[in-house]
Amino acid sequence: QEQLVESGGGVVQPGGSLRLSCAAFELTFRNYGMHWVRQAPGKGLEWVTYVRYDGSNSYHADSVKGRFTISRDNSKNTLNLQMNNLRAEDTAIYYCARDQVVGRTRYFDLWGRGTLVTVSS
Amino acid sequence: DIQMTQSPSFVSASVGDRVTITCRASQDISTWLAWYQQKPGKAPNLLIYAASTLQSGVPSRFSGSGSGTDFTLTISSLQPEDFATYYCQQANFFPPWAFGQGTKVEVK
Repeated sequence: QEQLVESGGGVVQPGGSLRLSCAAFELTFRNYGMHWVRQAPGKGLEWVTYVRYDGSNSYHADSVKGRFTISRDNSKNTLNLQMNNLRAEDTAIYYCARDQVVGRTRYFDLWGRGTLVTVSS
Repeated sequence: DIQMTQSPSFVSASVGDRVTITCRASQDISTWLAWYQQKPGKAPNLLIYAASTLQSGVPSRFSGSGSGTDFTLTISSLQPEDFATYYCQQANFFPPWAFGQGTKVEVK
């Protein structure tokens, strides 16, 4: 069964760093672009960042640009998110999600369960 | 950036009711729109993509319509397991892959 499993969340002080990982199981990970999406407590979904299937290109939301870096290791079926200079407003559940492109349509069809990041002193 | 606006933000409904949620894009996105359902403490789950195509395994009481800037998610007969929050998302112009702010379907 295809599955994404996030890890690495925790409590960090403002200005600190954290590295999240997303492990992919039972899917051809190297064929898919991948996203990170976050959800602050009691709030809606916010797209954070995307990496192309081969790691050759990435995009970041303005709110994290210059602080967060997405990367992937296709040999280990793993997606990563390096988060630096963390702020209180980065507190959220972070989900990894698979980018599915079919013809002239695109959507996120597989999501992990999420990992909670809390930025607090 | 494209803005996605859902209405209403909250819906109070009863089992068996017909529920309609609207999503409006700030620019023409053709049919590059998806709908997701999220239950408390769970990850979002894809319901509909390409504005009107039902994801495999999603009950047929869910349907989507629209193109351009105006889209609708309809639940024809609300079931107990449908009480959740629903999000639309555009995928035509990116980044960002913008989500609507969500519509919570609550028990009346």
